[in-house]
Amino acid sequence: LAKTTQPISMDSYEGQEVNITCSHNNIATNDYITWYQQFPSQGPRFIIQGYKTKVTNEVASLFIPADRKSSTLSLPRVSLSDTAVYYCLVGSGYSTLTFGKGTMLLVSP
Amino acid sequence: DADVTQTPRNRITKTGKRIMLECSQTKGHDRMYWYRQDPGLGLQLIYYSFDVKDINKGEISDGYSVSRQAQAKFSLSLESAIPNQTALYFCATSGSGGHFSTDTQYFGPGTRLTVL
Repeated sequence: LAKTTQPISMDSYEGQEVNITCSHNNIATNDYITWYQQFPSQGPRFIIQGYKTKVTNEVASLFIPADRKSSTLSLPRVSLSDTAVYYCLVGSGYSTLTFGKGTMLLVSP
Repeated sequence: DADVTQTPRNRITKTGKRIMLECSQTKGHDRMYWYRQDPGLGLQLIYYSFDVKDINKGEISDGYSVSRQAQAKFSLSLESAIPNQTALYFCATSGSGGHFSTDTQYFGPGTRLTVL
């Protein structure tokens, strides 16, 4: 299983763009990168998934460099409601997903 | 996600008691999972099931058992609860259209279990 490393916490202000980077140096050829968001006392919620280059949806963008050893989740113009824990996961095939401690993002007014 | 329900939502019990947590889903998914989350930590996989006849142990299955009664129902049992099983428990489901680890998982609201 590819191990991921992400910052424990990040702080931002409303209206700013937030970029959370995840390192996964031993990512395998077939691995995909998936990000989940979790609010306190709620289950995680899928945000975005990608394999290479850039993926964008209505919530976020995911940037994956050519070597795929890292990925960056970009949240445009965050609001207070984006305060949550963000998990980066890597896996493929029938490997189980491992939710690490994630990154606690705190958005202030 | 209202499509995944868990009962009870909160439970306080005593050491040594048998506890069952139930999960139901209306998403028509084949795959179901049970996770445990301790304060300030990520989620740990307890058990998962690809279909009604398939049960697999996750990272921390000791002290737990599961039953997949139907496609839509997956229950988690603590045969003899102990205080260090105090945690938030989540059930999740995912479809079977692709690879297991790339399926989007849909989580229930969680069950907060306290073992005294």
